[in-house]
Amino acid sequence: ETGVTQTPRHLVMGMTNKKSLKCEQHLGHNAMYWYKQSAKKPLELMFVYSLEERVENNSVPSRFSPECPNSSHLFLHLHTLQPEDSALYLCASSLSTGTGADTQYFGPGTRLTVL
Amino acid sequence: GENVEQHPSTLSVQEGDSAVIKCTYSDSASNYFPWYKQELGKGPQLIIDIRSNVGEKKDQRIAVTLNKTAKHFSLHITETQPEDSAVYFCAAGGGTNFGNEKLTFGTGTRLTIIP
Repeated sequence: ETGVTQTPRHLVMGMTNKKSLKCEQHLGHNAMYWYKQSAKKPLELMFVYSLEERVENNSVPSRFSPECPNSSHLFLHLHTLQPEDSALYLCASSLSTGTGADTQYFGPGTRLTVL
Repeated sequence: GENVEQHPSTLSVQEGDSAVIKCTYSDSASNYFPWYKQELGKGPQLIIDIRSNVGEKKDQRIAVTLNKTAKHFSLHITETQPEDSAVYFCAAGGGTNFGNEKLTFGTGTRLTIIP
């Protein structure tokens, strides 16, 4: 899985902590995504960045703050999370052709546990 | 927005038999339908996709069929092997969210191959 990498792979944090998730893609893509994956639920799209501009924000609570400094890197900054935020957080990237949906390539995810 | 339903949620088949997973979608403008396989501890990996200008696509033991009139598409795995055991997700995109690369995912099917 060298196309899209995510760090850390596992994270345990308290509700008052601040942490960041990192995603890096080596595919030359120009769109990046954050998804939340919870048990028995569909993948929930959180944020979309295209050419480093945020183009989608699916009513995500402000305790999640994305950052896309360039087309290869994506961060998700976390602060004052709740236990229900525990989930697998997946990053994906695609070659945004502007012609509709493109193939998305996923990273391995960060398993987040909020105590 | 798009709504994707996936059935069944769990499926067990004898090794060597075929497995079929079905999805329906609501947005008649959707034109891209990928299938992902997610193994334990990994992110979803694209296994096959189809666009609305074709009705069927095959790749070795895997095939996808699309019925645009009925708004449903299916994944067919023939001659199943133990390594096919995983969670499979369907998705639909390119519809009313045309231009922003959004995919809507189904809830997943846990496929177990019985040796």
